[in-house]
Amino acid sequence: KQEVTQIPAALSVPEGENLVLNCSFTDSAIYNLQWFRQDPGKGLTSLLLIQSSQREQTSGRLNASLDKSSGRSTLYIAASQPGDSATYLCAVSPTMYSGGGADGLTFGKGTHLIIQP
Amino acid sequence: EPEVTQTPSHQVTQMGQEVILRCVPISNHLYFYWYRQILGQKVEFLVSFYNNEISEKSEIFDDQFSVERPDGSNFTLKIRSTKLEDSAMYFCASSENGRDTDTQYFGPGTRLTVL
Repeated sequence: KQEVTQIPAALSVPEGENLVLNCSFTDSAIYNLQWFRQDPGKGLTSLLLIQSSQREQTSGRLNASLDKSSGRSTLYIAASQPGDSATYLCAVSPTMYSGGGADGLTFGKGTHLIIQP
Repeated sequence: EPEVTQTPSHQVTQMGQEVILRCVPISNHLYFYWYRQILGQKVEFLVSFYNNEISEKSEIFDDQFSVERPDGSNFTLKIRSTKLEDSAMYFCASSENGRDTDTQYFGPGTRLTVL
């Protein structure tokens, strides 16, 4: 059974710092990996999706890497801002698409990030 | 930008009652999902739906749960006889084509409180 772990569980840094959030998964046979942002009491906003064949994806100040063989992904946030404060969730699609189904994501518990002004 | 919508935003019900949570997926999407998040815990997959039938379901999705796409726009989750432990945030999601480039887009959630 796929398990996703995120470290650290919580992180508080001053504004302007670069930071790295970590995600690990136990089964490397993934279809893709997504990073989401969740604000308190709100839904999930997709930040980046990395296909299993890719090594990284970038969107603005965010860069996500994937090392499928070792079961790891990192989310790098450059020049952090107070508006980046949220919980960041990592999720994997754990099975290969066979052309017939839709696969549910397996989530980590998230990293609760606070950016101090 | 198209988005997934969910109603109601908050539902309070008595134990043993039936509830129906509603979702309107993004219009050109073909795959639909329900997830739940118990307070302080991980987001958990419940069920996926494609071509008018369930594609995959988790062990959480037992006989008290059912899903339906009653028309061309709505996607519903029914809980037949609610229990206290069903209290959670329920998220609907949709995706376009099920390929490895396919992002799942989530709605804002329905907070279900069972008393």
